[in-house]
Amino acid sequence: DADVTQTPRNRITKTGKRIMLECSQTKGHDRMYWYRQDPGLGLRLIYYSFDVKDINKGEISDGYSVSRQAQAKFSLSLESAIPNQTALYFCATSETTGGYPYEQYFGPGTRLTVT
Amino acid sequence: AQKITQTQPGMFVQEKEAVTLDCTYDTSDQSYGLFWYKQPSSGEMIFLIYQGSYDEQNATEGRYSLNFQKARKSANLVISASQLGDSAMYFCAMREDTGRRALTFGSGTRLQVQP
Repeated sequence: DADVTQTPRNRITKTGKRIMLECSQTKGHDRMYWYRQDPGLGLRLIYYSFDVKDINKGEISDGYSVSRQAQAKFSLSLESAIPNQTALYFCATSETTGGYPYEQYFGPGTRLTVT
Repeated sequence: AQKITQTQPGMFVQEKEAVTLDCTYDTSDQSYGLFWYKQPSSGEMIFLIYQGSYDEQNATEGRYSLNFQKARKSANLVISASQLGDSAMYFCAMREDTGRRALTFGSGTRLQVQP
């Protein structure tokens, strides 16, 4: 089984709808991240979390919110989806200690289309 | 703020030849890590190689090596003996060793290996 899973893998939604993307990990890592990838661009950081009570904004957090329900689960919500949020979304995890170089492990991605 | 620049949007290489993908970076941090990821057409992010800012030896992982020139702030990826399966997008990324430890990505290079 994959260490980092994302659901759904693909989603088409309409403008104005609320949508949640979910991420689960079995690696036991404390740190979790949400990134967004637009065509022709690299990944950009939306939100990150060091533990359940520590959630922080990244460079492009406007229009998004997150919830860290447990160490293993980190969800990304679009409260009112708009077409320019159409992108590939990645969840990633990283350990805090011992695992230098603190490599980030990515989920398979969620392809979201907002019409 | 950190910045990664990949100046080659696309590259072609003949099968079995070596290819170098360029990456330059900018940071005020003294301690940081440099990563290369491969993204095939299926979309997942595959970790290839890591170089720490204090590592004196260039990193190698099988057919991948990282040509790290700290003074020039460059971290080029060298793929030896290219294979058809190497055709993909390649992203250079940087991560600070303190704080959020999130990745900052370049815009990527699309590599096409020709038979």
